Amino acid sequence: DQQVKQNSPSLSVQEGRISILNCDYTNSMFDYFLWYKKYPAEGPTFLISISSIKDKNEDGRFTVFLNKSAKHLSLHIVPSQPGDSAVYFCAASTPENRDDKIIFGKGTRLHILP
Amino acid sequence: KAGVTQTPRYLIKTRGQQVTLSCSPISGHRSVSWYQQTPGQGLQFLFEYFSETQRNKGNFPGRFSGRQFSNSRSEMNVSTLELGDSALYLCASSLGVGGSYTFGSGTRLTVV
Repeated sequence: DQQVKQNSPSLSVQEGRISILNCDYTNSMFDYFLWYKKYPAEGPTFLISISSIKDKNEDGRFTVFLNKSAKHLSLHIVPSQPGDSAVYFCAASTPENRDDKIIFGKGTRLHILP
Repeated sequence: KAGVTQTPRYLIKTRGQQVTLSCSPISGHRSVSWYQQTPGQGLQFLFEYFSETQRNKGNFPGRFSGRQFSNSRSEMNVSTLELGDSALYLCASSLGVGGSYTFGSGTRLTVV
């Protein structure tokens, strides 16, 4: 049972345009959400996070939006750059498992086209 | 400061053998988690250790086990290897607050 779902396995976006990666979750106890970026042959790197008390968090070109009623979050990258081509994982945790168990989605592969 | 170090980077084993993977966390991090990454399943949680104790465990068979030493270094063992165990095994360490992990580069295990 996938508690964190990334329904798009891949996404292609033109360089300079906006990339929008989506994530849905089923567990209403999740209160902290994270995005990780992963290049081939490397471990995932933390990108940005959001607590459930917020609906938006911005860091440079990256913005994460959270819609709690829809149990949906999205990562916006604008403008998209070639170095953004990677696999992006959405992840979530509950208050009880904050420090020890994060649930990941299956990932979305983002291709930035020249 | 040094990142999370996983050894070896690549490993080829035959079915039925056993394997031990190693992870050295960032200095000061006491939590170490292990994940299996496969193309079809994405990142799946194996288990997490904190101060030498397993705090949490995912839905993997008992062939998968681990341990953590007093210096926070962790090892993961898989016995009686199966072809389906071929995957990238990632280790992540954390200070504890906020759930932000630092991952190692992984160990690519191929079972033939």
